[in-house]
Amino acid sequence: EVVLTQSPGTLSLSPGERATLSCRTSQSVSSSHLAWYQQKPGQAPRLLIYGASSRATGIPDRFSGSGSGTDFTLTISRLEPEDSAVYYCQQYASSVYTFGQGTKLEIK
Amino acid sequence: EVQLVESGGGLGQPGRSLRLSCTASGFSLGDYAMSWVRQAPGKGLEWVGFTRSNIYSGTTEYAASVKGRFSISRDDSKSVAYLQMNSLKSEDTAVYYCTRGPFMRYGDWYGLDVWGQGTTVTVSS
Repeated sequence: EVVLTQSPGTLSLSPGERATLSCRTSQSVSSSHLAWYQQKPGQAPRLLIYGASSRATGIPDRFSGSGSGTDFTLTISRLEPEDSAVYYCQQYASSVYTFGQGTKLEIK
Repeated sequence: EVQLVESGGGLGQPGRSLRLSCTASGFSLGDYAMSWVRQAPGKGLEWVGFTRSNIYSGTTEYAASVKGRFSISRDDSKSVAYLQMNSLKSEDTAVYYCTRGPFMRYGDWYGLDVWGQGTTVTVSS
C-alpha cells in the first residue's frame, strides 16, 4: 500500500498570502494519478486538482498543483477566507487507492 | 445535472449487515468507475473500494480494512451502485460517500470528480 504523508498538519495564514501544502508518497507515484481535494466542514470533499497539476472544472487559477515521483505540492496563492478547509491528497495509481491524512488550512 | 445520492445508512449492529445504495443521474453509470470513501467522526478520508467501468467488466478492489467483509456491485441499467457491508464492526462507523471515478478522459486520468452528500452508518449494539 502506498502511504501518503501530508505536511504541515495545520497551516494558519492571512488573506492574500500564499499557502504551500506538501504530500509525500512512500513510493513513486505516476503524476497522472495524484489528486487534491478540498473539504469544508459539513460538506463532501471537492476535487481541486487531478493528474498532479490539472485544475478540475470551476476551480480558480489561484489553486495549482505540481510535483512528481514522491513529492507533490498544492499551492494556493492570494488566500481568501473561503479557502479555509482541510485539504487531502490521494493517489489512484495502484489498485488500492489511498489518501493522505489531510492538512487543515486556517485563514486568520 | 450530474448527481449522486446515497441511501441506506443508519444503525447497524456489530456482526450484522447493511447495504448502501448510490443512485446516479445526469450521466451513464456504466461508463465510469465508481468508488466509495468513508470518513469516521472527526477523522480524515479513507478509501473503501471501487468498481471499474463496464469496459473492465466492473471488477472491484478493496482497502485491506474491509476486504472480505464489504463488496461493491453495480446495476448500470438502474444507474445504481451498491456497497454491501457484512460483519460490521464499530470501527466501520462513518459517513460513507459514493464518488464517480477515477476515469480517463482525453488522455488524462481524473480523480473522484463527483461526490454524493454522504450517508451515515453507525455500528453499535
